[in-house]
Amino acid sequence: GAVVSQHPSRVICKSGTSVKIECRSLDFQATTMFWYRQFPKKSLMLMATSNEGSKATYEQGVEKDKFLINHASLTLSTLTVTSAHPEDSSFYICSARESLAGEQYFGPGTRLTVT
Amino acid sequence: GNSVTQMEGPVTLSEEAFLTINCTYTATGYPSLFWYVQYPGEGLQLLLKATKADDKGSNKGFEATYRKETTSFHLEKGSVQVSDSAVYFCALTPQGGSEKLVFGKGMKLTVNP
Repeated sequence: GAVVSQHPSRVICKSGTSVKIECRSLDFQATTMFWYRQFPKKSLMLMATSNEGSKATYEQGVEKDKFLINHASLTLSTLTVTSAHPEDSSFYICSARESLAGEQYFGPGTRLTVT
Repeated sequence: GNSVTQMEGPVTLSEEAFLTINCTYTATGYPSLFWYVQYPGEGLQLLLKATKADDKGSNKGFEATYRKETTSFHLEKGSVQVSDSAVYFCALTPQGGSEKLVFGKGMKLTVNP
């Protein structure tokens, strides 16, 4: 099946700094990528949807200036958490879809801890 | 709004035991329903799906039937294996072809030999 990777798998940063998380589709071109956030014992919550070459669409309540998403190529999307604070600590998961009606393939997730 | 409620674990079973993971949903019309599985250290993978009422999704010995009357999509397997140890997520996409997945909280299953 299709493979999606995320890097890094874990990151610890200090409050006030920015962190970039990469999501790559390894063996297919992803027209659409999705970013999710998962809190402990909570379900995955969709943060934003990004299409290659256009601006991301953010879900209600998600600060677009805080969570910057770039989908510059058909195999790479990045999520940058700007001016991170401890409440941003979470598990971030991306997924990628090859075609309009295709299945979403998920990355293994990135554990962010802000100290 | 749309939501998914599934039983919360963790659950521990012995090999060859019967497995049921309950999932109910709230949505208008006829959403598409999914079960995803996440093995340790890996991303979520689609396990099975059903797109209309009374459809049965099946894969790897797992089954789930789309029950409109009870708004349910319970996951079952007759005889679990150690390799089925994972976290299981029930999810839906709303009617109308929306791409947005709405997930339940997930349930961790451990199967002991």
